[in-house]
Amino acid sequence: DIQMTQSPSSVSTSVGDRVTISCRASQGIDRWLAWYQQKPGKAPKLLISEASTLQSGVPSRFSGSGSGTHFTLTISSLQPEDFATYYCQQADSFPLTFGGGTKVEIK
Amino acid sequence: EVQLVQSGAELKKPGESLKISCKGLGFTFTHWIGWVRQMPGKGLEWMGNIYPGDSETRYSPSFQGQVTISVDRSISTAYLQWKRLKASDSAMYYCARQDDSGSFEFDYWGQGTLVTVSS
Repeated sequence: DIQMTQSPSSVSTSVGDRVTISCRASQGIDRWLAWYQQKPGKAPKLLISEASTLQSGVPSRFSGSGSGTHFTLTISSLQPEDFATYYCQQADSFPLTFGGGTKVEIK
Repeated sequence: EVQLVQSGAELKKPGESLKISCKGLGFTFTHWIGWVRQMPGKGLEWMGNIYPGDSETRYSPSFQGQVTISVDRSISTAYLQWKRLKASDSAMYYCARQDDSGSFEFDYWGQGTLVTVSS
């Protein structure tokens, strides 16, 4: 199975800050990596597919990069509605696996 | 509009059986449908997928033999079933649709079904 490791597990930050979240795969997955945002009490929402493809309607302050085993989600200027938990997921092969999540909190 | 509509919250006793559902609306029900568990305060765990076209099913090794995923294509509905629930099955369960681009990300999610197992 491909293990996905996210870091940090949580980050305290302020509106307007730049936030970077890392996701590492235990083996190469090309660019088959998705990022999700989950707010409390809500279902996850797909933000980015194939490592860097922004989904329709997702603000351009979100961006994704990487390939192989190392990936990054960047929020260029954090907005109040961005405080949430973010998950990566390898979309390369079964069994599908998620990272442990990164909680973005208000400082 | 694409929607996945899940059945309502369940309160069951240990040892009971349960089948929850996920109805697809607004799209042709030929996408892989997956089930994801989220235990209280924890992260997302993929349980398995089913392809409605031929009912091909893939399970996570962690859930193989513990649950059964099935589909009724005629009513665009996928199911997740337990024969004998345990207290540790208490969680939120989401169904989600995989897009048809060839990779396995989930582009639409249901609202979740909360399952509580308690004596």
